[in-house]
Amino acid sequence: DTEVTQTPKHLVMGMTNKKSLKCEQHMGHRAMYWYKQKAKKPPELMFVYSYEKLSINESVPSRFSPECPNSSLLNLHLHALQPEDSALYLCASSQSGTGSYEQYFGPGTRLTVT
Amino acid sequence: ELKVEQNPLFLSMQEGKNYTIYCNYSTTSDRLYWYRQDPGKSLESLFVLLSNGAVKQEGRLMASLDTKARLSTLHITAAVHDLSATYFCAVDPNNNAGNMLTFGGGTRLMVKP
Repeated sequence: DTEVTQTPKHLVMGMTNKKSLKCEQHMGHRAMYWYKQKAKKPPELMFVYSYEKLSINESVPSRFSPECPNSSLLNLHLHALQPEDSALYLCASSQSGTGSYEQYFGPGTRLTVT
Repeated sequence: ELKVEQNPLFLSMQEGKNYTIYCNYSTTSDRLYWYRQDPGKSLESLFVLLSNGAVKQEGRLMASLDTKARLSTLHITAAVHDLSATYFCAVDPNNNAGNMLTFGGGTRLMVKP
């Protein structure tokens, strides 16, 4: 099974709402990632978790709060977002370690902030 | 800061023609990936290149890596309409800080009948 799943597929939220994005993989990968992709732009790395610990935070605003409850799950909690945060949010997973490993991407959550 | 540049950013080509997409990067790395993205969809892994001189082929696509020149190419042979998509290269900077990918700007490929 080489699938990464993400829910919901689409999300519309107001600037005062709190919502969460969910990502799940069952490939035994110990590294998981959140990316943000604006229209017609490449993905931009937001966070990296390695062995359930946050290892990289690419200076992401605190209104985005990641969480890795276990090795298969990754959440992204959203609070007080701005319209410019509207984008496709992609989750990915890979093996972890000092080597370089292929990342498998989920289908993404398309977020619209109104 | 690692910079990854692709060119061209947009490519319109006829079916049956050949073309090459270029990916240049600014720091030493021997870890390069190519992905395909269809409109509104996620990224599909095409090739993983992990050494100088690596060459991989799948169907009408062939990717290569020259780490000394800091250059990867994605060659398209006898293009067909189904290859229409956006292609991204991505580089991992070898800094053991985790698999941090920096993506190129993407090449939007349109293959016309």
